[in-house]
Amino acid sequence: DAGVTQSPTHLIKTRGQQVTLRCSPKSGHDTVSWYQQALGQGPQFIFQYYEEEERQRGNFPDRFSGHQFPNYSSELNVNALLLGDSALYLCASSRTGDLSGANVLTFGAGSRLTVL
Amino acid sequence: RKEVEQDPGPFNVPEGATVAFNCTYSNSASQSFFWYRQDCRKEPKLLMSVYSSGNEDGRFTAQLNRASQYISLLIRDSKLSDSATYLCVVMYSGGYQKVTFGTGTKLQVIP
Repeated sequence: DAGVTQSPTHLIKTRGQQVTLRCSPKSGHDTVSWYQQALGQGPQFIFQYYEEEERQRGNFPDRFSGHQFPNYSSELNVNALLLGDSALYLCASSRTGDLSGANVLTFGAGSRLTVL
Repeated sequence: RKEVEQDPGPFNVPEGATVAFNCTYSNSASQSFFWYRQDCRKEPKLLMSVYSSGNEDGRFTAQLNRASQYISLLIRDSKLSDSATYLCVVMYSGGYQKVTFGTGTKLQVIP
């Protein structure tokens, strides 16, 4: 049973460029959440998708957008990249309505973005 | 005030020591609580859930104090392999799940 998979694992971009990160949730999970984790910080919530809609959003600008597909996979798009966007971007999947530990949040290995 | 607060550490302890981490949360309606472990440059992984009655998993004990709005994690007989960052996670479910992470507490177990 595959867990959460993310791609790409590493990427380097320059300021002003755009990036798309991809996530496939764990089997049986229907909700995808995206987090940004800067070095030495805890994960910061970007947004969450359920039933192909953005259900809640953290304190991130509109440059950060996303999408969820019918198969529950998701994309995170960041436009007009800034140096401060350099971070580890984590995707986590869960099953709505299930608060048990096993289904709360399962993380992918992350996509490490460096903006030069 | 942050929604979830942790002492960032680092906590440097010798092998075999007992170490405890605390985490406080501000939303009294929070319903579920967890400890995640994150190794350097890796993704967070669920360590254990935290139940009102307290729960134990081997050398790890988690406790919840709803009245004072804090959770704790106790690690006994520390191993070198316990070196990691421990993230406190608080969940509120009011129609949808709102999950908030603490900044993490870094533990370094020294030989």
